[in-house]
Amino acid sequence: GEDVEQSLFLSVREGDSSVINCTYTDSSSTYLYWYKQEPGAGLQLLTYIFSNMDMKQDQRLTVLLNKKDKHLSLRIADTQTGDSAIYFCAETITGGGNKLTFGTGTQLKVEL
Amino acid sequence: GAVVSQHPSRVICKSGTSVKIECRSLDFQATTMFWYRQFPKQSLMLMATSNEGSKATYEQGVEKDKFLINHASLTLSTLTVTSAHPEDSSFYICSAHAAGGGETQYFGPGTRLLVL
Repeated sequence: GEDVEQSLFLSVREGDSSVINCTYTDSSSTYLYWYKQEPGAGLQLLTYIFSNMDMKQDQRLTVLLNKKDKHLSLRIADTQTGDSAIYFCAETITGGGNKLTFGTGTQLKVEL
Repeated sequence: GAVVSQHPSRVICKSGTSVKIECRSLDFQATTMFWYRQFPKQSLMLMATSNEGSKATYEQGVEKDKFLINHASLTLSTLTVTSAHPEDSSFYICSAHAAGGGETQYFGPGTRLLVL
């Protein structure tokens, strides 16, 4: 089955860049996603990338995909205190019927 | 953008009672809705996939008689936790996939269930 791993915790200073990493095992992934979850809330889709792309940039967010190594990362430029949240990567796989498999989540803490 | 609502946002009930949670897509039609469960400080676990007009598909280990799912229309899916017990206390989140909407799922704000 699919297995999606993330580091549990990341702490950065306000204004610095944050890089959140994700590794997955299933090579038949079609799309890979990054979601943000604030305390007690649902998930907010931040961005996603098709599996045949290497990079996608959307304002402060840059997604890098290394399909060979099955490694996905999310870079947040100029991190702000409002970026403090839990970030989940997720994937859909070919033939999976749009089912999302989520990573373990990374808690990002932004310090002044 | 696409909006998904859940009702109630928070519910406290006594052990043995049943609780119904609604998931609505407000400005789009959802052929497929998904129900997730999230324990504190953990990731989301898919419970079931709900397709409009057909029976839900449950993930392994999820009791279909315990968690009843109905997807009666293209904008509404309900999850009923029957004979709830304290171990059913959790955060339940739904998501909706738009008809012809490609690769994006939109998530509801979640329902916090506490069973006493």
